[in-house]
Parts: sequence; structure tokens; C-alpha cells
Amino acid sequence: DAGITQSPRHKVTETGTPVTLRCHQTENHRYMYWYRQDPGHGLRLIHYSYGVKDTDKGEVSDGYSVSRSKTEDFLLTLESATSSQTSVYFCAISETAVYGYTFGSGTRLTVV
Amino acid sequence: KNEVEQSPQNLTAQEGEFITINCSYSVGISALHWLQQHPGGGIVSLFMLSSGKKKHGRLIATINIQEKHSSLHITASHPRDSAVYICAAANTGNQFYFGTGTSLTVIP
Repeated sequence: DAGITQSPRHKVTETGTPVTLRCHQTENHRYMYWYRQDPGHGLRLIHYSYGVKDTDKGEVSDGYSVSRSKTEDFLLTLESATSSQTSVYFCAISETAVYGYTFGSGTRLTVV
Repeated sequence: KNEVEQSPQNLTAQEGEFITINCSYSVGISALHWLQQHPGGGIVSLFMLSSGKKKHGRLIATINIQEKHSSLHITASHPRDSAVYICAAANTGNQFYFGTGTSLTVIP
């Protein structure tokens, strides 16, 4: 979607290395989310943000941290990547739940 | 127990068939979303509902707030409809709860 971009699209990294995924939006939406998608689990919330420097944990936040220093950018960091963090990561943005919800194209992360 | 349950998990249909995917939720919602994900692809929002019914082309989405149930219907299904369809319930706190998805395959 033109209003939200994720980078990188694909990444292979080694166990124990730090990894940062970036989500950038041009829609000026208040809410930003990071999800992971794994077979059999569907989409699970990692962290979300409801404003600049305002973030909160989701259901699978262990091993992940986030930062939002600007409205348009929401960073997801794996401080020390593990094989269990191999997944597809999606960023999403929303102004309010009633007005819609837009996903990025996803980042496929492989930890070897 | 998941806050959002979808059925069926997998569905195979012949081209032209009428398809129904069901979603039941247990949380109070401000809106319910239907999403579509093609194999290896991104996630696209199809519908956002807070009441009643919406139609877009061959796709129809309905919601019954009292019964906490929504359905996605596809009329005259086509192979290009093959995808995973995901139901997502948004509560008043802007939190989203996802079903695990229904994988649809439409055979020519």
C-alpha cells in the first residue's frame, strides 16, 4: 500500500545478532502496530503505538522492543535474534478502528 | 479460547459456487474487519463493518451485533478468489483480535 512501507522485505540473520525492522507511514495515522504471522497462529500482536513515544506491549512482546520517535516511523528491534523469531512481520496503521486499517507488505525474517 | 473464531479453517470450492465464511467473536467491538491475503502476499482490507451489510462486487459481508457473528459471502466464486480470509474484531480501545483465517481454494 502506498501509504505504508516496510523495510527490509526479506532478511536472513544469524542467531544472537540484533535486527531492526522499519515501518514508515505517510498517512499521519495515530496508531501503529507490529504483528507476526506464523502458520497455525494467525496474526499476533507484538507491540503497538498510540502516539509518538507512546507504546505498549502485545501478546507476544518478549524478545522485542519498539520505538516511535516520529509519527511516521515505528521501529521493531530484536535485541538478540533467536530461531523462534523466524516469521513474517507485518506493520499496520490505523486512525481509529472505525475508519480502517492498512497493512504493510510484510518482512520475511529468517534467523539461522 | 480465542476471542475470534472462524470457520471453516479450509474450504475448497468449484468455480461458480457460492461461498460463506463465518466469524464469531466474544469481545465488545467498535468494528469488524474482513481481510484478504493471497499466497505470499500482503494483507488487504476488504470490509469494515459496524452494523448491517456491505457489498463490493461479488463479495458481501454481514454482521449481527446481538449474536456477535459475521459472515463473508462470495458469489460466483473464481480461482482468483483463492486466498486466506481473516476476520478481525476491533474493540473500543483500538485493539484488534484476529481469527486464524480461512484458506479458500477455488478450482476451475
